[in-house]
Amino acid sequence: ETGVTQSPTHLIKTRGQQVTLRCSSQSGHNTVSWYQQALGQGPQFIFQYYREEENGRGNFPPRFSGLQFPNYSSELNVNALELDDSALYLCASSQGLAAGYEQYFGPGTRLTVT
Amino acid sequence: AQRVTQPEKLLSVFKGAPVELKCNYSYSGSPELFWYVQYSRQRLQLLLRHISRESIKGFTADLNKGETSFHLKKPFAQEEDSAMYYCALGAGGGADGLTFGKGTHLIIQP
Repeated sequence: ETGVTQSPTHLIKTRGQQVTLRCSSQSGHNTVSWYQQALGQGPQFIFQYYREEENGRGNFPPRFSGLQFPNYSSELNVNALELDDSALYLCASSQGLAAGYEQYFGPGTRLTVT
Repeated sequence: AQRVTQPEKLLSVFKGAPVELKCNYSYSGSPELFWYVQYSRQRLQLLLRHISRESIKGFTADLNKGETSFHLKKPFAQEEDSAMYYCALGAGGGADGLTFGKGTHLIIQP
């Protein structure tokens, strides 16, 4: 069984640029959620994808967008990067939508915006 | 909107002493509550959830709806328990994702 993987591990971007982060879900999981974790904070929910459609969204602006592919892998895109977007971005997969399902987290992508 | 509060940013106890990590939540519905743990250089992983009522690695947590709390307890701390602990709430059908607290850094001193 392969766990959740994310790429890249870390990257540095300039304010105003765009970035794409990638996530491969755990085998058998059809739901992917993305979280932003700022330094010293808990993860904050960005959005969730279920069977290729966005199913729920946290309090993040539209410049945060995503995709889920038929193999349930996912991308997080952030446009017009701001300094405050610097954070660890976590991807989590689960077997379904219900709140009770365990979420399996990836190692994260560390984004630094300068 | 739901909210999770972990009042202690850092908790330091001696090996063999009891541990209690506090978690309070705010949610109008019936919540799903979890404790996630992150050991040094490892990814975030589920420790336990209230619906299973399991004891994992000696830890237990009881949901108290009257006090809106879900405190994590262990009677005798071990050095390998040192980690970041996050309380998390799942609401409704799951479309709101998990709402996490800010976390408590638990340090077990020898």
